[in-house]
Amino acid sequence: DGGITQSPKYLFRKEGQNVTLSCEQNLNHDAMYWYRQDPGQGLRLIYYSQIVNDFQKGDIAEGYSVSREKKESFPLTVTSAQKNPTAFYLCASSIGRGWSNQPQHFGDGTRLSIL
Amino acid sequence: AQSVTQLGSHVSVSEGALVLLRCNYSSSVPPYLFWYVQYPNQGLQLLLKYTTGATLVKGINGFEAEFKKSETSFHLTKPSAHMSDAAEYFCAGAPKNTPLVFGKGTRLSVIA
Repeated sequence: DGGITQSPKYLFRKEGQNVTLSCEQNLNHDAMYWYRQDPGQGLRLIYYSQIVNDFQKGDIAEGYSVSREKKESFPLTVTSAQKNPTAFYLCASSIGRGWSNQPQHFGDGTRLSIL
Repeated sequence: AQSVTQLGSHVSVSEGALVLLRCNYSSSVPPYLFWYVQYPNQGLQLLLKYTTGATLVKGINGFEAEFKKSETSFHLTKPSAHMSDAAEYFCAGAPKNTPLVFGKGTRLSVIA
Protein backbone atom coordinates (compact mmCIF):
# COMPACT_ATOMS: atom_id res chain seq x y z
CA ASP A 1 0.00 0.00 0.00
CA GLY A 2 1.18 3.51 -0.76
CA GLY A 3 1.70 5.90 2.06
CA ILE A 4 3.97 8.05 4.17
CA THR A 5 6.29 6.55 6.76
CA GLN A 6 7.66 8.62 9.58
CA SER A 7 10.33 7.34 11.94
CA PRO A 8 10.95 7.07 14.75
CA LYS A 9 7.55 7.30 16.41
CA TYR A 10 9.12 8.65 19.61
CA LEU A 11 12.38 10.58 19.90
CA PHE A 12 14.24 12.13 22.78
CA ARG A 13 16.71 14.97 22.46
CA LYS A 14 19.41 16.03 24.86
CA GLU A 15 20.34 19.66 25.33
CA GLY A 16 22.60 20.91 22.54
CA GLN A 17 21.90 17.93 20.31
CA ASN A 18 20.65 17.89 16.74
CA VAL A 19 18.14 15.20 15.84
CA THR A 20 16.77 14.12 12.47
CA LEU A 21 13.23 12.96 11.78
CA SER A 22 12.71 10.72 8.80
CA CYS A 23 9.88 11.00 6.27
CA GLU A 24 9.54 8.66 3.29
CA GLN A 25 6.68 8.45 0.79
CA ASN A 26 5.93 5.96 -1.98
CA LEU A 27 2.98 7.86 -3.44
CA ASN A 28 5.08 9.47 -6.19
CA HIS A 29 4.02 12.89 -4.90
CA ASP A 30 6.02 15.94 -5.90
CA ALA A 31 5.27 18.11 -2.87
CA MET A 32 6.19 17.35 0.74
CA TYR A 33 5.63 19.29 3.95
CA TRP A 34 6.63 19.37 7.59
CA TYR A 35 4.25 20.60 10.28
CA ARG A 36 4.58 21.07 13.98
CA GLN A 37 1.57 20.36 16.19
CA ASP A 38 1.25 21.70 19.72
CA PRO A 39 -1.86 21.21 21.89
CA GLY A 40 -4.51 23.78 21.03
CA GLN A 41 -2.36 25.32 18.28
CA GLY A 42 -3.37 23.38 15.23
CA LEU A 43 -0.71 22.65 12.62
CA ARG A 44 2.01 25.14 11.79
CA LEU A 45 4.11 24.86 8.65
CA ILE A 46 7.86 24.46 9.16
CA TYR A 47 9.19 23.78 5.64
CA TYR A 48 7.84 22.60 2.34
CA SER A 49 9.30 21.30 -0.90
CA GLN A 50 7.57 21.25 -4.24
CA ILE A 51 10.36 19.60 -6.22
CA VAL A 52 13.60 17.73 -5.63
CA ASN A 53 16.53 19.94 -4.55
CA ASP A 54 14.26 22.84 -3.70
CA PHE A 55 12.46 23.83 -0.49
CA GLN A 56 10.99 26.91 1.16
CA LYS A 57 10.59 28.11 4.71
CA GLY A 58 7.20 28.03 6.29
CA ASP A 59 5.90 30.10 9.19
CA ILE A 60 8.18 28.66 11.90
CA ALA A 61 11.41 27.56 10.16
CA GLU A 62 13.84 28.95 12.73
CA GLY A 63 15.82 26.18 14.43
CA TYR A 64 14.97 23.61 11.76
CA SER A 65 16.60 22.45 8.52
CA VAL A 66 15.56 20.11 5.70
CA SER A 67 16.91 18.52 2.55
CA ARG A 68 15.22 17.08 -0.52
CA GLU A 69 17.77 15.00 -2.38
CA LYS A 70 15.25 12.38 -3.49
CA LYS A 71 11.61 12.65 -4.45
CA GLU A 72 10.67 10.04 -1.86
CA SER A 73 12.47 11.53 1.12
CA PHE A 74 12.20 14.79 3.09
CA PRO A 75 14.09 14.56 6.41
CA LEU A 76 13.75 17.26 9.04
CA THR A 77 16.60 18.17 11.40
CA VAL A 78 15.74 19.83 14.68
CA THR A 79 18.85 21.77 15.61
CA SER A 80 20.09 22.89 18.99
CA ALA A 81 18.97 26.39 18.01
CA GLN A 82 15.34 25.30 18.42
CA LYS A 83 14.83 26.09 22.10
CA ASN A 84 11.39 24.56 22.47
CA PRO A 85 11.38 21.44 20.30
CA THR A 86 8.93 19.35 22.31
CA ALA A 87 6.01 18.74 19.95
CA PHE A 88 4.34 16.29 17.59
CA TYR A 89 5.83 16.53 14.10
CA LEU A 90 3.81 15.59 11.04
CA CYS A 91 5.06 15.01 7.51
CA ALA A 92 2.68 15.25 4.55
CA SER A 93 2.75 15.03 0.78
CA SER A 94 0.51 15.98 -2.12
CA ILE A 95 0.25 15.63 -5.89
CA GLY A 96 1.48 18.50 -7.96
CA ARG A 97 4.13 21.15 -7.55
CA GLY A 98 2.09 24.11 -6.41
CA TRP A 99 -0.35 24.85 -3.67
CA SER A 100 -3.51 23.46 -5.15
CA ASN A 101 -6.81 21.82 -4.49
CA GLN A 102 -5.15 18.45 -3.97
CA PRO A 103 -5.41 17.18 -0.40
CA GLN A 104 -2.36 16.45 1.67
CA HIS A 105 -1.66 12.91 2.87
CA PHE A 106 -0.14 12.59 6.32
CA GLY A 107 2.21 10.22 8.10
CA ASP A 108 1.55 9.05 11.65
CA GLY A 109 3.91 11.56 13.20
CA THR A 110 6.98 11.66 15.43
CA ARG A 111 6.69 12.80 19.04
CA LEU A 112 9.83 14.63 20.13
CA SER A 113 10.62 15.25 23.77
CA ILE A 114 13.51 16.83 25.66
CA LEU A 115 15.51 14.75 28.14
CA ALA B 1 -3.62 36.74 5.10
CA GLN B 2 -5.83 33.73 4.94
CA SER B 3 -7.13 32.48 8.28
CA VAL B 4 -9.32 29.63 9.37
CA THR B 5 -11.28 29.79 12.60
CA GLN B 6 -12.88 26.82 14.31
CA LEU B 7 -15.49 27.81 16.87
CA GLY B 8 -15.24 25.68 19.98
CA SER B 9 -12.13 23.81 20.99
CA HIS B 10 -14.25 21.04 22.48
CA VAL B 11 -17.69 19.77 21.49
CA SER B 12 -19.55 17.05 23.33
CA VAL B 13 -22.58 15.20 21.93
CA SER B 14 -24.61 12.18 22.89
CA GLU B 15 -24.42 9.04 20.78
CA GLY B 16 -27.03 9.30 18.03
CA ALA B 17 -27.23 13.10 18.21
CA LEU B 18 -26.36 15.58 15.48
CA VAL B 19 -22.72 16.55 15.15
CA LEU B 20 -22.01 20.16 14.13
CA LEU B 21 -18.45 21.46 14.00
CA ARG B 22 -18.04 25.05 12.90
CA CYS B 23 -15.42 26.53 10.58
CA ASN B 24 -15.16 30.04 9.18
CA TYR B 25 -12.55 31.27 6.78
CA SER B 26 -11.33 34.69 5.77
CA SER B 27 -10.41 35.08 2.17
CA SER B 28 -10.96 37.63 -0.53
CA VAL B 29 -11.35 34.85 -3.07
CA PRO B 30 -13.08 31.50 -2.78
CA PRO B 31 -10.62 29.12 -1.18
CA TYR B 32 -10.04 25.43 -1.31
CA LEU B 33 -11.38 23.95 1.93
CA PHE B 34 -10.79 20.66 3.69
CA TRP B 35 -11.87 18.82 6.80
CA TYR B 36 -9.47 16.34 8.39
CA VAL B 37 -9.84 13.98 11.37
CA GLN B 38 -7.07 12.97 13.75
CA TYR B 39 -7.17 10.05 16.17
CA PRO B 40 -4.77 10.01 19.14
CA ASN B 41 -1.11 9.71 18.18
CA GLN B 42 -1.90 9.45 14.50
CA GLY B 43 -1.67 11.66 11.46
CA LEU B 44 -4.56 13.47 9.82
CA GLN B 45 -7.01 11.72 7.53
CA LEU B 46 -9.01 13.53 4.89
CA LEU B 47 -12.76 13.58 5.52
CA LEU B 48 -13.83 15.76 2.61
CA LYS B 49 -12.79 18.66 0.42
CA TYR B 50 -14.41 21.57 -1.35
CA THR B 51 -12.83 22.97 -4.48
CA THR B 52 -15.45 24.33 -6.88
CA GLY B 53 -18.91 23.33 -7.96
CA ALA B 54 -21.47 21.79 -5.62
CA THR B 55 -21.57 23.55 -2.29
CA LEU B 56 -22.70 20.50 -0.32
CA VAL B 57 -19.81 18.10 -0.06
CA LYS B 58 -20.17 14.53 1.12
CA GLY B 59 -17.27 12.81 2.77
CA ILE B 60 -16.38 9.55 4.43
CA ASN B 61 -18.03 8.03 7.50
CA GLY B 62 -21.31 9.88 6.92
CA PHE B 63 -19.89 13.38 7.30
CA GLU B 64 -20.77 16.28 5.04
CA ALA B 65 -20.05 20.00 4.87
CA GLU B 66 -21.70 22.94 3.20
CA PHE B 67 -19.77 25.81 1.68
CA LYS B 68 -21.62 29.09 2.27
CA LYS B 69 -19.85 31.96 0.59
CA SER B 70 -22.19 34.59 2.05
CA GLU B 71 -21.31 33.42 5.56
CA THR B 72 -17.68 32.46 4.77
CA SER B 73 -18.40 29.17 6.49
CA PHE B 74 -17.72 25.51 5.91
CA HIS B 75 -19.37 23.71 8.83
CA LEU B 76 -19.05 19.94 9.23
CA THR B 77 -22.11 17.86 10.12
CA LYS B 78 -23.13 14.29 10.72
CA PRO B 79 -26.75 13.36 11.43
CA SER B 80 -26.05 10.74 14.07
CA ALA B 81 -22.89 10.55 16.17
CA HIS B 82 -21.19 7.24 16.81
CA MET B 83 -18.70 6.46 19.54
CA SER B 84 -16.02 5.94 16.90
CA ASP B 85 -16.40 9.59 15.81
CA ALA B 86 -14.61 10.76 18.95
CA ALA B 87 -11.46 12.44 17.66
CA GLU B 88 -10.00 15.85 16.84
CA TYR B 89 -11.21 17.59 13.71
CA PHE B 90 -9.33 20.19 11.71
CA CYS B 91 -10.62 22.59 9.10
CA ALA B 92 -8.05 23.85 6.59
CA GLY B 93 -8.14 26.13 3.61
CA ALA B 94 -6.34 28.50 1.31
CA PRO B 95 -6.88 30.49 -1.87
CA LYS B 96 -5.26 28.99 -4.93
CA ASN B 97 -1.46 28.98 -4.96
CA THR B 98 -1.06 29.92 -1.31
CA PRO B 99 0.01 27.69 1.61
CA LEU B 100 -2.70 25.75 3.38
CA VAL B 101 -3.79 27.19 6.72
CA PHE B 102 -5.19 24.96 9.47
CA GLY B 103 -7.64 25.86 12.19
CA LYS B 104 -6.72 25.07 15.79
CA GLY B 105 -8.91 22.01 15.90
CA THR B 106 -12.07 20.89 17.67
CA ARG B 107 -12.07 17.86 19.92
CA LEU B 108 -15.28 15.87 19.61
CA SER B 109 -16.41 13.74 22.52
CA VAL B 110 -19.30 11.28 22.13
CA ILE B 111 -21.20 10.31 25.25
CA ALA B 112 -22.89 6.93 25.47
